[in-house]
Amino acid sequence: KAGVTQTPRYLIKTRGQQVTLSCSPISGHRSVSWYQQTPGQGLQFLFEYFSETQRNKGNFPGRFSGRQFSNSRSEMNVSTLELGDSALYLCASSFGRDRSNNSPLHFGNGTRLTVT
Amino acid sequence: GDSVTQMEGPVTLSEEAFLTINCTYTATGYPSLFWYVQYPGEGLQLLLKATKADDKGSNKGFEATYRKETTSFHLEKGSVQVSDSAVYFCALSRWTGNQFYFGTGTSLTVIP
Repeated sequence: KAGVTQTPRYLIKTRGQQVTLSCSPISGHRSVSWYQQTPGQGLQFLFEYFSETQRNKGNFPGRFSGRQFSNSRSEMNVSTLELGDSALYLCASSFGRDRSNNSPLHFGNGTRLTVT
Repeated sequence: GDSVTQMEGPVTLSEEAFLTINCTYTATGYPSLFWYVQYPGEGLQLLLKATKADDKGSNKGFEATYRKETTSFHLEKGSVQVSDSAVYFCALSRWTGNQFYFGTGTSLTVIP
């Protein structure tokens, strides 16, 4: 079956702009998580959505937001972009049905965002 | 808070050498533990997992055992190949939610 699909693969934006990233989870997966990956900070958790509700949130400013649609697809938005937002943004899906910690994450290939 | 600590890289090994990448964790309760692998230009792929103490996860010749007494989940492989060159991440997931905590990653390069 199809894996997690993230679009676009690459984005170049300038400071102050906003950006929207998209993620389509594996069919049947209702949980979608977003991570920011940078060489200096590694993988940092942004937020997790399950059945259109945000269940967990990491320690990022309010400029970072997300949402999930009824078909489990998710979008992440970053407003007022800063140079430090340049990173690989990874989306991951899982069943996440009952908050079980046994369900592994399945990652997309990421969106590479460059802010100039 | 919950966290994962991995050995620093990069690690360079010759083909057929033995690999160990150390991982220790801090967590309340009984987390599940995972190893993920990331190849250049790609996202992370699940390599193996263990969900309770003394469980051994294994896949593609890699193994890791969930050691609660030492809070460790070290990754091992008896004979590495050039195709194993990648970045390896240790991670934990707590029972209270679907939030994962990742280590900083260990870059492995295997030379022929």
